[in-house]
Amino acid sequence: SQQGEEDPQALSIQEGENATMNCSYKTSINNLQWYRQNSGRGLVHLILIRSNEREKHSGRLRVTLDTSKKSSSLLITASRAADTASYFCATARGAGSYQLTFGKGTKLSVIP
Amino acid sequence: DSGVTQTPKHLITATGQRVTLRCSPRSGDLSVYWYQQSLDQGLQFLIQYYNGEERAKGNILERFSAQQFPDLHSELNLSSLELGDSALYFCASSVASGLAGGRTGELFFGEGSRLTVL
Repeated sequence: SQQGEEDPQALSIQEGENATMNCSYKTSINNLQWYRQNSGRGLVHLILIRSNEREKHSGRLRVTLDTSKKSSSLLITASRAADTASYFCATARGAGSYQLTFGKGTKLSVIP
Repeated sequence: DSGVTQTPKHLITATGQRVTLRCSPRSGDLSVYWYQQSLDQGLQFLIQYYNGEERAKGNILERFSAQQFPDLHSELNLSSLELGDSALYFCASSVASGLAGGRTGELFFGEGSRLTVL
């Protein structure tokens, strides 16, 4: 069963614009992670935020976590055509649990 | 390149057959995870091994089995294949086991094995 649900399912933006993707989950978590998948390829880890953190940055990525609302958002600033991919949130439930549960992803298209 | 190697990349077989997918984790990683990705079910966790022992089990069918060998490579065996087993099968590895007090949970994924059952 899916723990995380991304929203929107698909997003199309112009190059240079910002892209925001949201993730909601159901149970308490230890950490939440975002992964990227280019079409038909393996997933690549982008960023991890722990349950006691509220915001984290990595390059053009900004992730927020609201445990009271059981939601997270991923912001990609100044998007590039190369950012075109599917983005997944994944949750790890127990302390040290690495059985990640993935959502169905947001398909981002960045138009040059 | 994640450092995780999966073979074969593509596999086409018939219903009722049995296949074996192989995974070599990143050097130094003790944990191996198997995931199935299909259009309707998304990414489903199947099973995790840590240093040769089964650590966690997810939505893995009884027709499927896995093992991790002393050299830490892992194999996923799929038998009595059905049309619905057609999917991308991913292996991922991490350095830690997932026990309490473990380190961060970043997973490194291979490029997957695309299985088509006809």
